[in-house]
Amino acid sequence: NAGVTQTPKFRVLKTGQSMTLLCAQDMNHEYMYWYRQDPGMGLRLIHYSVGEGTTAKGEVPDGYNVSRLKKQNFLLGLESAAPSQTSVYFCASRGPVTGLGAKTPGNTIYFGEGSWLTVV
Amino acid sequence: GENVEQHPSTLSVQEGDSAVIKCTYSDSASNYFPWYKQELGKRPQLIIDIRSNVGEKKDQRIAVTLNKTAKHFSLHITETQPEDSAVYFCAAPGDSSYKLIFGSGTRLLVRP
Repeated sequence: NAGVTQTPKFRVLKTGQSMTLLCAQDMNHEYMYWYRQDPGMGLRLIHYSVGEGTTAKGEVPDGYNVSRLKKQNFLLGLESAAPSQTSVYFCASRGPVTGLGAKTPGNTIYFGEGSWLTVV
Repeated sequence: GENVEQHPSTLSVQEGDSAVIKCTYSDSASNYFPWYKQELGKRPQLIIDIRSNVGEKKDQRIAVTLNKTAKHFSLHITETQPEDSAVYFCAAPGDSSYKLIFGSGTRLLVRP
């Protein structure tokens, strides 16, 4: 049981290049998230997904796209990288509360180890 | 709107003293308030959480209090130890219960 796995862990991009960050979770969680972390600004939500085939915008979605083609995977894409996107990116997942008869999001969010991205 | 404010941004205490970190939230419908600890170079990890139907929750040296009327909640760490040094984040649901919006973080330093 690996939990939440992110690849790659480190990447340097040139301005204008594109790349995709892959997040995989093996906990059968419904909900998945991409956050970015910058000094003094905490964790800011980029995009999230409440189930396979669904995506939604978070606090800072501009410049990013996401896809959730399979329940266990959540991809974050940068189509044309900019220096302002230099950051640490965290993927996270969260399961539903069981036994309540409703699809209520579970409490604990589990984070991946982070991906350090530098855009030069 | 969704907004979680956290104070202070940095906190330095002597080993054995208490530390208190405070957060305020904007959405009065919020009902779940977790606290995460992030050590240097590591991922954030949940340390304690509280639901809106209780006013306080304790787990050994850490406790969280919630004031729904004032829309703020606090993390209390007693008898601090050097290994408590880390960045702490509070969080609250956004305009959707599926989201979790984080505060800007508090860097806690416990001096030996």
